[in-house]
Amino acid sequence: QKEVEQNSGPLSVPEGAIASLNCTYSDRGSQSFFWYRQYSGKSPELIMSIYSNGDKEDGRFTAQLNKASQYVSLLIRDSQPSDSATYLCSSAGNMLTFGGGTRLMVKP
Amino acid sequence: GAVVSQHPSRVICKSGTSVKIECRSLDFQATTMFWYRQFPKQSLMLMATSNEGSKATYEQGVEKDKFLINHASLTLSTLTVTSAHPEDSSFYICSAKGTGDYEQYFGPGTRLTVT
Repeated sequence: QKEVEQNSGPLSVPEGAIASLNCTYSDRGSQSFFWYRQYSGKSPELIMSIYSNGDKEDGRFTAQLNKASQYVSLLIRDSQPSDSATYLCSSAGNMLTFGGGTRLMVKP
Repeated sequence: GAVVSQHPSRVICKSGTSVKIECRSLDFQATTMFWYRQFPKQSLMLMATSNEGSKATYEQGVEKDKFLINHASLTLSTLTVTSAHPEDSSFYICSAKGTGDYEQYFGPGTRLTVT
């Protein structure tokens, strides 16, 4: 079993909709979680970090963490075509463990 | 956020030659650097982890004699692909983190093509 699991997608949403990306992790000791965005042909870019249960909002992005259920999610409101990318979920221990990524497609 | 650079961004080399890729943390001290490889439409694959001043730790299946990693300072790590072959053609990405940090910051990547 992979330590961080994500649905590979693609997840297709219309422009303006809310995109919901989900991730589960197996290591109950993980304390820090990150979402990276990777455009095709580019390296990952850190977009959100979350350390405690609940929601964390930053602009159109909201990260949600539920340690009891061991899942992390990323909501993107008012999705734009420029949000089309692969989103990587990761949990941090001594090093980051990445999920395989979810490909998001926002259609105009 | 912290800035990590990589050089070169693209390199084409002939089969059998060696290629060195540099990874630098520009505005923080990177006690740990990571090297990843990514083939088209596939996930990031961690190749090795290096701590400043010590030998790199390689992931299973990664040949340490082929992929030489040096992390001689707190701002620079290098990856040398020795005797490169066409199957080594890939996107190589480094990342770095500072002491006590959990976040990793990625360099822009180096696209290697071996002909």
